[in-house]
Amino acid sequence: QKEVEQNSGPLSVPEGAIASLNCTYSDRGSQSFFWYRQYSGKSPELIMSIYSNGDKEDGRFTAQLNKASQYVSLLIRDSQPSDSATYLCAVTYSNQFYFGTGTSLTVIP
Amino acid sequence: SQTIHQWPATLVQPVGSPLSLECTVEGTSNPNLYWYRQAAGRGLQLLFYSIGIDQISSEVPQNLSASRPQDRQFILSSKKLLLSDSGFYLCAWSAGSISYTFGSGTRLTVV
Repeated sequence: QKEVEQNSGPLSVPEGAIASLNCTYSDRGSQSFFWYRQYSGKSPELIMSIYSNGDKEDGRFTAQLNKASQYVSLLIRDSQPSDSATYLCAVTYSNQFYFGTGTSLTVIP
Repeated sequence: SQTIHQWPATLVQPVGSPLSLECTVEGTSNPNLYWYRQAAGRGLQLLFYSIGIDQISSEVPQNLSASRPQDRQFILSSKKLLLSDSGFYLCAWSAGSISYTFGSGTRLTVV
């Protein structure tokens, strides 16, 4: 069984702060790593993908991957109320996707 | 470009009635297809996945079934709905480990 663990939250941060979301995975053979955002009542949408160790930046979002420690994180800089959503971590292994249960983020104006 | 269509968006059905949810993918061939259910405030529960026509795997025992009559069409069915079948149903497709895209979802309420 491939495990993908996330703190369910809720995580609350003030507007303008940095939100840090973490995810750990059980299988060292995992190949690709993704972050999805899911607004209440909507389907998940892809916001970041990362495939190699290190940081990957896209606008206010930075994904960090550490394969040795088996964790992947998502940083959201200058958090906005519109960032309030559930963030799902996904990991692939043998072309199969495994999802965490998600972390609920609330950005307080 | 690839697109995924899922319908209907919302559905209210009485207990014991049948169910049919449809999902189609455009712009790709031989996609991997998935059905998930998400209870309110909960994570994704994988129900079925298919790597090809007539190749469908069930992840959890329940009164639901899935079929793939065409390469890019995936159908979720039930002969008799239960109250516990209420939830948010999501179809998704993937191309290996490169991408994974969800449909817009169906909110099912069984009354």
